[in-house]
Amino acid sequence: DGGITQSPKYLFRKEGQNVTLSCEQNLNHDAMYWYRQDPGQGLRLIYYSQIVNDFQKGDIAEGYSVSREKKESFPLTVTSAQKNPTAFYLCASSIGDVRTGELFFGEGSRLTVL
Amino acid sequence: DAKTTQPNSMESNEEEPVHLPCNHSTISGTDYIHWYRQLPSQGPEYVIHGLTSNVNNRMASLAIAEDRKSSTLILHRATLRDAAVYYCIREVYGNKLVFGAGTILRVKS
Repeated sequence: DGGITQSPKYLFRKEGQNVTLSCEQNLNHDAMYWYRQDPGQGLRLIYYSQIVNDFQKGDIAEGYSVSREKKESFPLTVTSAQKNPTAFYLCASSIGDVRTGELFFGEGSRLTVL
Repeated sequence: DAKTTQPNSMESNEEEPVHLPCNHSTISGTDYIHWYRQLPSQGPEYVIHGLTSNVNNRMASLAIAEDRKSSTLILHRATLRDAAVYYCIREVYGNKLVFGAGTILRVKS
């Protein structure tokens, strides 16, 4: 089945630790995205990538880093510089321009900082 | 401002139509309107999108006002599985979609 796989589904982290969330897609999509969602709120864009080896900051990139070495993979690292990292993280992909297409989302990773 | 305005919540009876409104008074002439929905603890799911004229697909219909300052998502017969948060989104800066808080739709049996 084609889709987006995020792992882990749940993750606990101690303060001061970096953590990397995995996102893999087998849809052959060019563009990939990371969103953050806090309880009762909408999604906020962290980073996005339209092609391999290129990515752009979204609205809340501080404290996060990404890489796009392969078309299928777009991992997100939550660094110790992120002040309030506890949240639900969603990865998405699109075949190209979302103006005329659609975003496909993974099932999310829930990060809790202890 | 790329925000859209939606009611915080709405309630519907099962098997009845649902009209979910959205205001986007500052929309530009080339911005599409997108609708997604999200079930609890899941990623959002695409519903429909359009630019000027009304759009239909197997999930819903999208009615866009003539001045494009508002739109309405229409679920023709609500089921319990349609209970979700519905997001009305303006496409912004090409490949960026900005999600607001959305409308919580509750469906009563």
